[in-house]
Amino acid sequence: EDQVTQSPEALRLQEGESSSLNCSYTVSGLRGLFWYRQDPGKGPEFLFTLYSAGEEKEKERLKATLTKKESFLHITAPKPEDSATYLCAVQVSGGSYIPTFGRGTSLIVHP
Amino acid sequence: EAGVTQFPSHSVIEKGQTVTLRCDPISGHDNLYWYRRVMGKEIKFLLHFVKESKQDESGMPNNRFLAERTGGTYSTLKVQPAELEDSGVYFCASSQEPRTGTQYFGPGTRLLVL
Repeated sequence: EDQVTQSPEALRLQEGESSSLNCSYTVSGLRGLFWYRQDPGKGPEFLFTLYSAGEEKEKERLKATLTKKESFLHITAPKPEDSATYLCAVQVSGGSYIPTFGRGTSLIVHP
Repeated sequence: EAGVTQFPSHSVIEKGQTVTLRCDPISGHDNLYWYRRVMGKEIKFLLHFVKESKQDESGMPNNRFLAERTGGTYSTLKVQPAELEDSGVYFCASSQEPRTGTQYFGPGTRLLVL
C-alpha cells in the first residue's frame, strides 16, 4: 500500500531560524510529489510539483527537493506569515492520478 | 477568477439526519474531486468527476454517500443517514488536467454529526 509519512508533526521556529520538513514515501512508482500549504479554516493551496530525484523548486523562502525516497521542504529565514500546515502528497505511476496525502506538518513561526 | 467555493462552511446535524454539501468548481475545470479529512488523519480521496461522469468513486465509504454533478458544473455530496463517524472536513477540488496533479481546493465544509 502506498504510504506518505511527514515529520515532524509540529514544528515551532523563531523568526529567521531556518529548518526543513520531511516527507518520506513508499510507493510502487512515483509519478509526482506535491507540496501544499494549508492555513487554518482554508483548503490546501498548491506550492510545488516535483517529478524526479534531484529536482528542486523554489518559491520565496521555500525550497523543495526530491530524492528517491523522500522530499524536503526547506524554509529559509522564516517569517510569522509562513505559519501554516504543510502537506505532502504523491501521485503513483501506472495508476489513477489521485494523490495520496500525508498528515502534514504544522509550522508555527514566532516573531 | 473565482476559486472553488463550497457551501455550507459548517454544518451540525444529528445522527440519522441528511446533509447535502455543495461545491462550485473553477469555471472551465472539467475535473472535480471530493476529499474528506477526519480529525488527526490525512486527507482521503472520495471520488472524481470528469464533467458529469463519475471517473473514480473508489474512495466512497459506503452507500450512505451519494455524489452528483449536474450538467458538469457544480457538484453535491449527500450523506443520508449521517453517522457519527462521518464527522470531518469535506474538501472539494477542481483541475484542468489531472496529469499535472495541480488541484485547486475549496475552503471545505466542516461537518459535525452529534
